[in-house]
Amino acid sequence: GQNIDQPTEMTATEGAIVQINCTYQTSGFNGLFWYQQHAGEAPTFLSYNVLDGLEEKGRFSSFLSRSKGYSYLLLKELQMKDSASYLCAVSTNAGKSTFGDGTTLTVKP
Amino acid sequence: DSGVTQTPKHLITATGQRVTLRCSPRSGDLSVYWYQQSLDQGLQFLIQYYNGEERAKGNILERFSAQQFPDLHSELNLSSLELGDSALYFCASSVATGVGYTFGSGTRLTVV
Repeated sequence: GQNIDQPTEMTATEGAIVQINCTYQTSGFNGLFWYQQHAGEAPTFLSYNVLDGLEEKGRFSSFLSRSKGYSYLLLKELQMKDSASYLCAVSTNAGKSTFGDGTTLTVKP
Repeated sequence: DSGVTQTPKHLITATGQRVTLRCSPRSGDLSVYWYQQSLDQGLQFLIQYYNGEERAKGNILERFSAQQFPDLHSELNLSSLELGDSALYFCASSVATGVGYTFGSGTRLTVV
């Protein structure tokens, strides 16, 4: 089976930087996704990491260490609209993605 | 508009009833995934289809079934509904396995 852990809640200040961690245990690892989900809405794709290292995309960056089963999502220059749930999802060779329970980020003025 | 269409958006039904949720994937996507998200819980994988064939199965109840048709749209059938089945049901599609999903806006099912 798969086990994905991420913090339940985080709070940060507008304009600051926040790092959301995700650890996982799985067999047949294929890649790791990060999604953003606002309350009551559909998740939207943020990033996909297959190889070790940092992938930067604007204010958002995602890091992966396959040997450590660890990833993080880094959000810079936080805005109020970044308040949402951030979902870590692991993709396996079987083709499906398993999602973590999500980290609810609250951005305060 | 993500390109993935789910209908209906909202559904209220009584316990014991049966409902069908419909999903049209993004044009060109062959894979369809169904997920259940209960209140304040994560996305629970139900089932995946690829080009009409079942590819992977998650913790899907025996009361639930799904299929993908030749035109690639998919339906999720929920029967003998219970109060605990109340949730958001998301459909997602991707062009192939192992790539990012595009989610539909979901169907909010309320069982009363």
